[in-house]
Amino acid sequence: EPEVTQTPSHQVTQMGQEVILRCVPISNHLYFYWYRQILGQKVEFLVSFYNNEISEKSEIFDDQFSVERPDGSNFTLKIRSTKLEDSAMYFCASKGGAGANVLTFGAGSRLTVL
Amino acid sequence: AQSVSQHNHHVILSEAASLELGCNYSYGGTVNLFWYVQYPGQHLQLLLKYFSGDPLVKGIKGFEAEFIKSKFSFNLRKPSVQWSDTAEYFCAVNRGTGGFKTIFGAGTRLFVKA
Repeated sequence: EPEVTQTPSHQVTQMGQEVILRCVPISNHLYFYWYRQILGQKVEFLVSFYNNEISEKSEIFDDQFSVERPDGSNFTLKIRSTKLEDSAMYFCASKGGAGANVLTFGAGSRLTVL
Repeated sequence: AQSVSQHNHHVILSEAASLELGCNYSYGGTVNLFWYVQYPGQHLQLLLKYFSGDPLVKGIKGFEAEFIKSKFSFNLRKPSVQWSDTAEYFCAVNRGTGGFKTIFGAGTRLFVKA
């Protein structure tokens, strides 16, 4: 079964540091997403990415966040200057073409900002 | 804007009890509906989905859900729960086809007593 893989599984960083979370979506998928889940809270949409550009983003996804797909396989989420409230589990997800509506999620990257 | 409401935040059941978790969504157009499960320490996994057709859909592990369009509901059911069903359950919705984001409910934590 194809998988979405995420690295690192857990990262601890100091407030103000830059963090890059990496994802390798399923190879023939076209739509890519980042979600986050603060401990004990709901899964929140951050951003969707299609055709090498952001297609939609939430109000959470401010100027501190960016995404890119640098090499056709990795899909990265960068947080430029982390804040305490960025501590969360970050999930990458992907799905196939326009007719495929099921997201496949990665195992998540737990970010702890101290 | 789309939203998803899950009525129960915490549910505690004994093994063999029946389960019904409520989910309502707000969106008047064509929707795709999902239930995801998150076992302790694991990532989100698809339990079942509804795109069209028979409003009663069956998923993995004996779960089923019924789409009632007039009530904007997609409740999850299982006739007899097991201890291994202890997990958090998320109802989710997205619009039609294409790259539209999937919106999640706040989740319901189910604890099944052995």
